[in-house]
Amino acid sequence: GNSVTQMEGPVTLSEEAFLTINCTYTATGYPSLFWYVQYPGEGLQLLLKATKADDKGSNKGFEATYRKETTSFHLEKGSVQVSDSAVYFCALSDILRGSQGNLIFGKGTKLSVKP
Amino acid sequence: KAGVTQTPRYLIKTRGQQVTLSCSPISGHRSVSWYQQTPGQGLQFLFEYFSETQRNKGNFPGRFSGRQFSNSRSEMNVSTLELGDSALYLCASSIIPDRYTEAFFGQGTRLTVV
Repeated sequence: GNSVTQMEGPVTLSEEAFLTINCTYTATGYPSLFWYVQYPGEGLQLLLKATKADDKGSNKGFEATYRKETTSFHLEKGSVQVSDSAVYFCALSDILRGSQGNLIFGKGTKLSVKP
Repeated sequence: KAGVTQTPRYLIKTRGQQVTLSCSPISGHRSVSWYQQTPGQGLQFLFEYFSETQRNKGNFPGRFSGRQFSNSRSEMNVSTLELGDSALYLCASSIIPDRYTEAFFGQGTRLTVV
């Protein structure tokens, strides 16, 4: 079945460091891929998305490219800030059901950025 | 524009009881989905509703049920609560249930079963 695997955390970085959070997926067909962020005590917010192979999603300095050949959607940011401290979730839509309503999530990666 | 509202925010129940959680989607959104978040299992899909019809259901026992009203508000019910049902329950709404359309999440209801 469909699944998402992302790197285990926690990840601790100094401010202005480069961030990579790895995400790989298993899916039939061509799912849409997403990165969501969850700040403490909050629900999830969509950070970026890509709906087809080679698409690059970007938002707030974060980027991720949909790589079908490696079934990956790694999240990157060139210079992290303390305010980026949160839990990041990689997710895919269930293409067979064609709806974003039933997203399949990775386990989440907690990022802590130190000043 | 108001976001997705979930009530209550926190709930403590005893094993064997039942509970009802409520979700009010963003105005104009007709699709509502529910997810369970636990430290061990992560985020798992419960069910999805569109225009008062359940479109999809995740792999949860029949004790978990839901419904959607004509104003798109949704409720989920868990009967005969077990300790393992303790979790953060998240609701998400979107205009339509389409994989290209952004889903907006509420802050969740934290359920503790004792």
